[in-house]
Amino acid sequence: EAGVAQSPRYKIIEKRQSVAFWCNPISGHATLYWYQQILGQGPKLLIQFQNNGVVDDSQLPKDRFSAERLKGVDSTLKIQPAKLEDSAVYLCATSIGTGFGYTFGSGTRLTVV
Amino acid sequence: GNSVTQMEGPVTLSEEAFLTINCTYTATGYPSLFWYVQYPGEGLQLLLKATKADDKGSNKGFEATYRKETTSFHLEKGSVQVSDSAVYFCALSEGGNTPLVFGKGTRLSVIA
Repeated sequence: EAGVAQSPRYKIIEKRQSVAFWCNPISGHATLYWYQQILGQGPKLLIQFQNNGVVDDSQLPKDRFSAERLKGVDSTLKIQPAKLEDSAVYLCATSIGTGFGYTFGSGTRLTVV
Repeated sequence: GNSVTQMEGPVTLSEEAFLTINCTYTATGYPSLFWYVQYPGEGLQLLLKATKADDKGSNKGFEATYRKETTSFHLEKGSVQVSDSAVYFCALSEGGNTPLVFGKGTRLSVIA
């Protein structure tokens, strides 16, 4: 089966600019997660979707981050305006359900200068 | 809340050496435990998992046993290869579709 697709692979922007990341999950995977992985740390959950509804966005900095999952399939994560500390790899992961595990995309590496 | 603690890296070993990466966890319930591996320039890949106490997960020569009494899930391999060089993450999930909680990762470098 096809994996989780993410784009772009790399992005460099100046602080205060906006940026968007895109995730295309595995077909049939109802649950989608966005994680932020800062260099030298483990991934940290930003937001979880079940189909097109938000399950948990308690860790999302809502003053600058937003995310949506149209029609319960593709998802976009946006940052506006970006700060230097947003430099990280943004990982999308999906799951089909209990016990089946999680599949990760290759991530988008964001550098804010 | 739930948390995962891994041994600090980096770990540098010679080829064919024995590997142990320690992982302990704190959880309110009975989580499933995972090891993920991240090779240079690639995404996270599931290495192995265990869903209940005393289960042993294994894959590619790596093993880890779910120890409820010590809240641990240490990763071991009897003979590492250069191709095992990567960052290893221990993680837990409370089940259902709850998200993974990760440790900070341990970088392993294997030299020939």
